[in-house]
Amino acid sequence: NAGVTQTPKFQVLKTGQSMTLQCAQDMNHNSMYWYRQDPGMGLRLIYYSASEGTTDKGEVPNGYNVSRLNKREFSLRLESAAPSQTSVYFCASSETGSDNYGYTFGSGTRLTVV
Amino acid sequence: GEDVEQSLFLSVREGDSSVINCTYTDSSSTYLYWYKQEPGAGLQLLTYIFSNMDMKQDQRLTVLLNKKDKHLSLRIADTQTGDSAIYFCAESSGGYNKLIFGAGTRLAVHP
Repeated sequence: NAGVTQTPKFQVLKTGQSMTLQCAQDMNHNSMYWYRQDPGMGLRLIYYSASEGTTDKGEVPNGYNVSRLNKREFSLRLESAAPSQTSVYFCASSETGSDNYGYTFGSGTRLTVV
Repeated sequence: GEDVEQSLFLSVREGDSSVINCTYTDSSSTYLYWYKQEPGAGLQLLTYIFSNMDMKQDQRLTVLLNKKDKHLSLRIADTQTGDSAIYFCAESSGGYNKLIFGAGTRLAVHP
């Protein structure tokens, strides 16, 4: 089925470990986003990529890096994980030329840092 | 900066109407959105409204927009147990279609 695919779905890391969250979309969307979701705080934008080859910081970029590998893929890297990065991470994509700019979300990655 | 606020909880009886409210700050938002999140899942676009509209109806869903007060509401008619979820309000902000989300309203539907 068409959509946004995130891997892994679950991950437990020790403090200081690194990992990369993968995201791929098959809708030929230009824009891609990484959000984190914490209880009572909604979704906060970490990084976004308006188009292939560009990335920009969102509201909470510290401790993260991103790579827009190609039009389909947008990865999020934690270089040295901290307990404060325990969260649910969502990748999303959108077509900036459409009428309503709705996002399509992946099913999320649940990350626990111990 | 931009901000979106929602109440955190709403409890309704099955068959009643639910009204979820949201306030936003960015008066230049072109579109405003409602997303639904079921347990363990990602967010699903429920409906949206263009900023020059006052109301949009889509089956059991009615969206009302008061642009003067920057107030958005989602009414769900004949609420069912399957409507139990978290509902997020979001505004489009700035360029490149960045969405700013509220904290989400958890809707609980009881018999």
